[in-house]
Amino acid sequence: AQSVTQLDSHVSVSEGTPVLLRCNYSSSYSPSLFWYVQHPNKGLQLLLKYTSAATLVKGINGFEAEFKKSETSFHLTKPSAHMSDAAEYFCVVSDRGGYNKLIFGAGTRLAVHP
Amino acid sequence: DSGVTQTPKHLITATGQRVTLRCSPRSGDLSVYWYQQSLDQGLQFLIQYYNGEERAKGNILERFSAQQFPDLHSELNLSSLELGDSALYFCASSVGQGSNSPLHFGNGTRLTVT
Repeated sequence: AQSVTQLDSHVSVSEGTPVLLRCNYSSSYSPSLFWYVQHPNKGLQLLLKYTSAATLVKGINGFEAEFKKSETSFHLTKPSAHMSDAAEYFCVVSDRGGYNKLIFGAGTRLAVHP
Repeated sequence: DSGVTQTPKHLITATGQRVTLRCSPRSGDLSVYWYQQSLDQGLQFLIQYYNGEERAKGNILERFSAQQFPDLHSELNLSSLELGDSALYFCASSVGQGSNSPLHFGNGTRLTVT
């Protein structure tokens, strides 16, 4: 069965500094991986997805993630944090049981300080 | 705006009652998914419909049921409500039903059971 582990429940950075949100996955075959963001009182928005094409995936708002099979990781990065990046971020793996069942990590709350 | 509409935004009800949550998918999307987000369980997949037919089931209780109508909107029915059912319920939609079809989430219905 697939699963994802987000290694940090909270991350705090200063505005203008790099962001690193860590995610490890477990899958018996090549997974589809996603990062979603949830702003307060909002739904979930897709940041980026990996589906076995390029290992470095670029998403919206300057975020990117690198798929590393040897490390079973899919960490999310951004070179320079903005105040508007403060939100909860979810690493997600798709259960390839033939359908689009997403398995969410526990989430990482990102705080950005001035 | 994701294009997925959920109503109502908030619902407060008493234990033992029954409620119906409604979801209108994005125009053109055939798949509808329901997820539950609670503090203790995180985001959990409940059920998926594709073009009116149930496709996948997750951790959905027997007290809960859903359906997708010919116009593709979906309803999630929760009955014999318990305090532990208090959560944010998300609906999502996608064009297809496979893992390459990204999900678009609504803003959720916040259910409070008192």
